Amino acid sequence: ETGVTQSPTHLIKTRGQQVTLRCSSQSGHNTVSWYQQALGQGPQFIFQYYREEENGRGNFPPRFSGLQFPNYSSELNVNALELDDSALYLCASSLAGRGGYEQYFGPGTRLTVT
Amino acid sequence: GDSVTQMEGPVTLSEEAFLTINCTYTATGYPSLFWYVQYPGEGLQLLLKATKADDKGSNKGFEATYRKETTSFHLEKGSVQVSDSAVYFCALILSNFGNEKLTFGTGTRLTIIP
Repeated sequence: ETGVTQSPTHLIKTRGQQVTLRCSSQSGHNTVSWYQQALGQGPQFIFQYYREEENGRGNFPPRFSGLQFPNYSSELNVNALELDDSALYLCASSLAGRGGYEQYFGPGTRLTVT
Repeated sequence: GDSVTQMEGPVTLSEEAFLTINCTYTATGYPSLFWYVQYPGEGLQLLLKATKADDKGSNKGFEATYRKETTSFHLEKGSVQVSDSAVYFCALILSNFGNEKLTFGTGTRLTIIP
């Protein structure tokens, strides 16, 4: 069973730029969620994708957007980067409708905005 | 809104000591509850879960019981090891198919001294 993978591991961007982060779901999972974890904080929910459509969104502005592909992999795009976007971005996959609602996390992408 | 409150850290214990990390929650419905662990430089790993009142989740010597009357899900371990040093997050999901977002506490950093 393949776990959740994310790329890249680390990324440094300049304020105002755009960034794309990628996530491959665990085998057999059909739902992907993205979280932002600022230093010393708990993860905050950005959005969730199910069957290639956004299926719930947290309190993040529209410059945070995403995609889910037919193979259930996903991208997180952030436009007009701000310094406060510096964080660890975590992707989690799960199987929608399965009792228990376990979400399995990837290792994360560390984004630094300068 | 839904929220999770965790015991403030950091927590430092000697090896073989008893561990308790307190967690309480506020939710509008009947959530499933989770403990996740994050080792340095890594993503989150699911440690244990409970999906209904009075359920006890357990894994790797850790236990937590879903207490609806006190809205709590305290994490316990009888004898901690150095390898348990990590950040522990309590989290909840409301049983709402279509928007299964995890709401996390701020995390408790645990350090075990040999």
